Amino acid sequence: EVQLVESGGGLVQPGGSLRLSCAASGFTFSSHDMHWVRQTKGKGLEWVSAIGTAGDTYYLGSVKGRFTISRENAKKSLYLQMNSLRAGDTAVYYCARSYLDVWGRGTTVIVSS
Amino acid sequence: DIQMTQSPSAMSASVGDRVTITCRASQGISNYLAWFQQKPGKVPKRLIYAASSLQSGVPSRFSGSGSGTEFTLTISSLQPEDFATYYCLQHKSYPWTFGQGTKVEVK
Repeated sequence: EVQLVESGGGLVQPGGSLRLSCAASGFTFSSHDMHWVRQTKGKGLEWVSAIGTAGDTYYLGSVKGRFTISRENAKKSLYLQMNSLRAGDTAVYYCARSYLDVWGRGTTVIVSS
Repeated sequence: DIQMTQSPSAMSASVGDRVTITCRASQGISNYLAWFQQKPGKVPKRLIYAASSLQSGVPSRFSGSGSGTEFTLTISSLQPEDFATYYCLQHKSYPWTFGQGTKVEVK
């Protein structure tokens, strides 16, 4: 079964850091671009970042310089290092495969003092 | 960045109705468009890719059309399980951008 499972969310103070992880199974992870998408409570979807199979990276403007996406193909894992967190980063963070055909269940990040 | 304008933002409909949702891109995106359905408390689910290709397992009452800047998602006969929020997504260029969503509610 194709599956993505996120972890690492939690409560963090403004200016703090978190590292999200996404464990993939059931498909050839190294052959797929991977993405992070977030959703604020009761609001819409917002694409955050992507990493290609060659390690090329892409970011939403508001997170560029603060977030870093990475992958470890041997571990079938995707990561999102989030630094200098702001209240506006509070959301459910989903990892998703390729053209968003498979999604994880999400992990919640709350930035609050 | 490419802006995606989705309309309407909400609509009321009855079972059996034909429902049409529109997405307009701020610049041409060819057919690099997907549609997603999200039910409350659930993960988004891709319905349509490449503007008009039906995702495997998705009922044939869902269809997508359009190219360039104007796109449409149509539900030919609304079923009880279709009451949800629908989003379009452009993936022509980064940053990818979603429409703001269309909530389809019971009339």
